[in-house]
Amino acid sequence: SQQGEEDPQALSIQEGENATMNCSYKTSINNLQWYRQNSGRGLVHLILIRSNEREKHSGRLRVTLDTSKKSSSLLITASRAADTASYFCATTEYGNKLVFGAGTILRVKS
Amino acid sequence: GAVVSQHPSWVICKSGTSVKIECRSLDFQATTMFWYRQFPKQSLMLMATSNEGSKATYEQGVEKDKFLINHASLTLSTLTVTSAHPEDSSFYICSATRGPPDQPQHFGDGTRLSIL
Repeated sequence: SQQGEEDPQALSIQEGENATMNCSYKTSINNLQWYRQNSGRGLVHLILIRSNEREKHSGRLRVTLDTSKKSSSLLITASRAADTASYFCATTEYGNKLVFGAGTILRVKS
Repeated sequence: GAVVSQHPSWVICKSGTSVKIECRSLDFQATTMFWYRQFPKQSLMLMATSNEGSKATYEQGVEKDKFLINHASLTLSTLTVTSAHPEDSSFYICSATRGPPDQPQHFGDGTRLSIL
């Protein structure tokens, strides 16, 4: 069953703008991960944030985690056409498998 | 590093045929491999978790006799869809992890299976 629920379901922005995607989950987690999937391809791991972390950066990516609200956000700054993809959050309880959210389809227009 | 190769990328076959999909970790030994199924514009659904040398753990609702998983070595897992029917048509993706299952997973590029 899916734990992570994401919004928006789809997002369309202009190149250079920032894109923010949100993820909510239901149970206690060990970590939360974000993945990107280009159309018809496998997933690429972007970033992992542990339950005791509040914010993490990687290049143009910024992830926040609020365990009290059971939510996370992924911010992509200065978006590029190549960022067009589906983005999924995935949560885990300690030692267990990943449970993926429904995903956000991001389209960056050039 | 951490490359996972999945083969074939695309299969079209007749109803009743069995289809084997391979998943290989090319540059690392995978403690655990996972098989997912994805319908168009939907998220990934975990089908089963496999560890080298032991039986796969299937998710609720996944028929183990229908979807045979073999994890013969630390670098190879196979998924065989037996007696495939049109409803088995889907995008199948494997992933592998070097450590515990809750660590980042490395994904293959998926196999698009079409049963006529």
